[in-house]
Amino acid sequence: EDQVTQSPEALRLQEGESSSLNCSYTVSGLRGLFWYRQDPGKGPEFLFTLYSAGEEKEKERLKATLTKKESFLHITAPKPEDSATYLCAVQDTGRRALTFGSGTRLQVQP
Amino acid sequence: EAGVTQFPSHSVIEKGQTVTLRCDPISGHDNLYWYRRVMGKEIKFLLHFVKESKQDESGMPNNRFLAERTGGTYSTLKVQPAELEDSGVYFCASSHLGRGTRDEQFFGPGTRLTVL
Repeated sequence: EDQVTQSPEALRLQEGESSSLNCSYTVSGLRGLFWYRQDPGKGPEFLFTLYSAGEEKEKERLKATLTKKESFLHITAPKPEDSATYLCAVQDTGRRALTFGSGTRLQVQP
Repeated sequence: EAGVTQFPSHSVIEKGQTVTLRCDPISGHDNLYWYRRVMGKEIKFLLHFVKESKQDESGMPNNRFLAERTGGTYSTLKVQPAELEDSGVYFCASSHLGRGTRDEQFFGPGTRLTVL
């Protein structure tokens, strides 16, 4: 059974204070690892998909990396508008369903 | 380009009643997914349509849930009769996927269902 564990559960940063979020996963065969951002009362917003170990993707202040066991979402010089819950999900080679972690609630204070 | 839309945004019903949720995927997306998050838990997969066909129903909790996608466009998820444990947020997602291409699922805003 696919499993996704995200840490920390919550993270409070000062504006400009860089950090990383972790996503550890167990899957029989990885088709893709997904990062989403979710704001309160809204649906998950797609950020990145990573498909193979060593792959990296960037978008503004966010950079996602992937190894065979985990993924990191690095946030460089965050701003208050980066405050949200960040969700990690994996997709097994055998099916299209996403298995989600419980998320990391990020708060960036000015 | 319009995103995934869901209706209603909120629904409050009594235990034993019936509720129907609707999802309109992004135009041209053949794949449509239903997920839900119950209180305090992570988002869980319910089922996957490819056009009008059910590809994977492994996440459907029981036979009180019925999903349809007539004509391969919008989809409905009916809960009948609703139970207290059905309360949560129901998300719909869609993706455009051809053979060998990559799958990026785009989510709607969700329908918050409260069963009293």
